[in-house]
Amino acid sequence: DTGVSQDPRHKITKRGQNVTFRCDPISEHNRLYWYRQTLGQGPEFLTYFQNEAQLEKSRLLSDRFSAERPKGSFSTLEIQRTEQGDSAMYLCASSLVQATEAFFGQGTRLTVV
Amino acid sequence: GIQVEQSPPDLILQEGANSTLRCNFSDSVNNLQWFHQNPWGQLINLFYIPSGTKQNGRLSATTVATERYSLLYISSSQTTDSGVYFCAAANQAGTALIFGKGTTLSVSS
Repeated sequence: DTGVSQDPRHKITKRGQNVTFRCDPISEHNRLYWYRQTLGQGPEFLTYFQNEAQLEKSRLLSDRFSAERPKGSFSTLEIQRTEQGDSAMYLCASSLVQATEAFFGQGTRLTVV
Repeated sequence: GIQVEQSPPDLILQEGANSTLRCNFSDSVNNLQWFHQNPWGQLINLFYIPSGTKQNGRLSATTVATERYSLLYISSSQTTDSGVYFCAAANQAGTALIFGKGTTLSVSS
């Protein structure tokens, strides 16, 4: 197993465009988390899945954001009508179950111009 | 939700010095992790330590769950230890890890 994988690593988009990121968790990990990190800050929780069910969404996850995890495997995070304030590193993590060690991917760095 | 505070925010050391990073949390935890963020942004797992003490080479960590704090010790620091260290915790009823703001460590030779 190669760990949590995220794609793309970098994305530059124009304001108003839609973008989609993918996360492949460690196999057999039931939990998958999305975080956002802006410069100089710690990662902020966005949402998490237990298998295919999205169980919690942060207030940071505006209506322009949507996440899916079909079949409980990989997950996608889509941002519609991107804004400059969406520029950040988007991190994905997975864990076997809650209260077990979480492992993070390398992140997708989004720049909205 | 749980609050996580880290101190100090910044730490400057000479190579070879020892340091202690602190993490306070506001609630009982069932998960606590320390990470080192590399220059490319990836979070590297250092310790999974909801309670007790662990050691890995020059690094060790202690979590005193009853007093709601955790400490990360770095001994004989090296320039490669530079970077941002994060503590993250999840509470008993919680779900995802909540991160502190991090401690930025700079080690000079």
